[in-house]
Parts: sequence; C-alpha cells; structure tokens
Amino acid sequence: EAGVAQSPRYKIIEKRQSVAFWCNPISGHATLYWYQQILGQGPKLLIQFQNNGVVDDSQLPKDRFSAERLKGVDSTLKIQPAKLEDSAVYLCASSIGRVEAFFGQGTRLTVV
Amino acid sequence: KNEVEQSPQNLTAQEGEFITINCSYSVGISALHWLQQHPGGGIVSLFMLSSGKKKHGRLIATINIQEKHSSLHITASHPRDSAVYICAVSIIQGAQKLVFGQGTRLTINP
Repeated sequence: EAGVAQSPRYKIIEKRQSVAFWCNPISGHATLYWYQQILGQGPKLLIQFQNNGVVDDSQLPKDRFSAERLKGVDSTLKIQPAKLEDSAVYLCASSIGRVEAFFGQGTRLTVV
Repeated sequence: KNEVEQSPQNLTAQEGEFITINCSYSVGISALHWLQQHPGGGIVSLFMLSSGKKKHGRLIATINIQEKHSSLHITASHPRDSAVYICAVSIIQGAQKLVFGQGTRLTINP
C-alpha cells in the first residue's frame, strides 16, 4: 500500500515570497491533517479536513496560510507571503476510521 | 499542561546501551504512535499501538492503557538510531484528532 506522499521534500525561499506544499493521502482516507513543526518542538496542527470539509483550522494563521482539499483527495497548503518564523517542517498525515493514522515524510521549509 | 508529555527531552548514550523513551498522556485515546524523525526532517512511522506490546528488530514499544503510559525501547543502540523520537496519540473528540508530544532527541555516540 502506498504511503502518504508529500512534495517537495525541501524548499528554500526568501521572505515575502509564496510557497505551496502538496500532499496525496492514502487512497480512501477521509481525514487529512497538516502540521507545522518548528525546530525543537512537537508538531502543531494547522488544519484538519474530513473529506473536503474543514474540521479544525483554529491554529491556522489565516492572514498568510491557506489550505484546500480538492474533491476530498489531494491537498495543498500555501503560505503567502512567507515570514522567517515560517521555517519549519510541514507534515501531512491521513487516517481512516478512528485508530490508524499514516504520516508523510514532511517538507522542510527554510525562509531566508 | 500538554496532553502528551515525553521524557526525557534529550538523551545521550553510548553505543550498545539499552534506551528507554517514555510517553504519558492525559486523555482517552484510541491509539498511540511512535515516530522517528531524522535530521533532514523526514518522519517514519515506527509503531501504532492500542494495547500490549509490539517489536520490530531492535525496537520494542509497550503501552499501558490504564496508566496512560507508553515506552519505546531500543536494544543494542547504534549511532544510526540517533534521531528525534515523537509520540503521538489519536484522540476521539467527535472527529479523530492527533496530538503530538514535543519529541525526544536521542544521540548515540560510538
């Protein structure tokens, strides 16, 4: 079974530029999560989708971050414009049912 | 207080030592995950537990649901085991919610 796919693996951008990350969850997984992990900290939930609807985006900085999940499958997370403090690993995870969760390898973003 | 607490935050050991990393949580869960994150940031899922014990190679994970506690053990540790180990729990709050610990940075010296 293919895992959660994320791209790119690494991205370096200048502050005030825009960036987008892509996540392809495991086929059939209704729930998709985006997390932000700043160096030295545990991952923090940015947004959670159930199919193509948003379940929780309370910690998403909506002035610069946006996310969508088209047709309840793939998802993109965008930052516009990026700030230095956005440097982090962006982790996507997906799940089906209420027990198992599967994790992507993450995208490491460096804002300079 | 975080819902998921890991200890220690940092651990340095010599090659060959037996390693234990602990995870405690304060809420009802349906599953607990142990993840490994290498310096490049990539995350690998090691175990998913809802009860008992699982073993994969030199890695052993246990969970005690009554005590809300899990441990990850590494036997015969090796420098390539150096990584951040993260505990995450699946919480049922209406929709499923994943909550992560802050991670344990493990360094194994040769």
